[in-house]
Amino acid sequence: AQSVTQLDSQVPVFEEAPVELRCNYSSSVSVYLFWYVQYPNQGLQLLLKYLSGSTLVKGINGFEAEFNKSQTSFHLRKPSVHISDTAEYFCAVRSGYGGSQGNLIFGKGTKLSVKP
Amino acid sequence: DVKVTQSSRYLVKRTGEKVFLECVQDMDHENMFWYRQDPGLGLRLIYFSYDVKMKEKGDIPEGYSVSREKKERFSLILESASTNQTSMYLCASSLFGPGQTETQYFGPGTRLLVL
Repeated sequence: AQSVTQLDSQVPVFEEAPVELRCNYSSSVSVYLFWYVQYPNQGLQLLLKYLSGSTLVKGINGFEAEFNKSQTSFHLRKPSVHISDTAEYFCAVRSGYGGSQGNLIFGKGTKLSVKP
Repeated sequence: DVKVTQSSRYLVKRTGEKVFLECVQDMDHENMFWYRQDPGLGLRLIYFSYDVKMKEKGDIPEGYSVSREKKERFSLILESASTNQTSMYLCASSLFGPGQTETQYFGPGTRLLVL
């Protein structure tokens, strides 16, 4: 069975500092990987996704993530965060493209708190 | 832009009431999903649908049912609301097709309080 582990439930960081949000997954087949962001009182919004090709994926708002197959990881990074990046971030995995195999499995989320 | 709308942002209901949560998407997506989101638990899939009148159970379907009479609308029904169903409910939609992979588009959520 697939699973997603987000290693940190909360990450406090100062403005303009770099940040890394960690995500590990388990799957016996090829996967597609996603990071979603949820701002306060809103639904989820896609930040970036890995489908195939280059292991370094760039997303919106200056975020990027690197797919590491040997370590089964898909960590999210940003070199310099802003107050507006304060939100909850979800890592998700999907395999296949049909039936229940096509559903997303979400991690439990990481709350990023950016302090001035 | 894809738009997924949910009928209410906040709802307060009494234990035992029948509750309807409505979700509408405007991009002709085949797939629609209902999740609940609880602190520390992330998102858990309740039900999903790949076509009109088609539904499949997700990870936590107990106490819920769904209806999809039209492609753009997916309803979540709490037959007899209980306090443990107090939660944030998120609807999502996506395209589907062999060889494709889809991105799920989420609505703003409905925060349900059952007293």
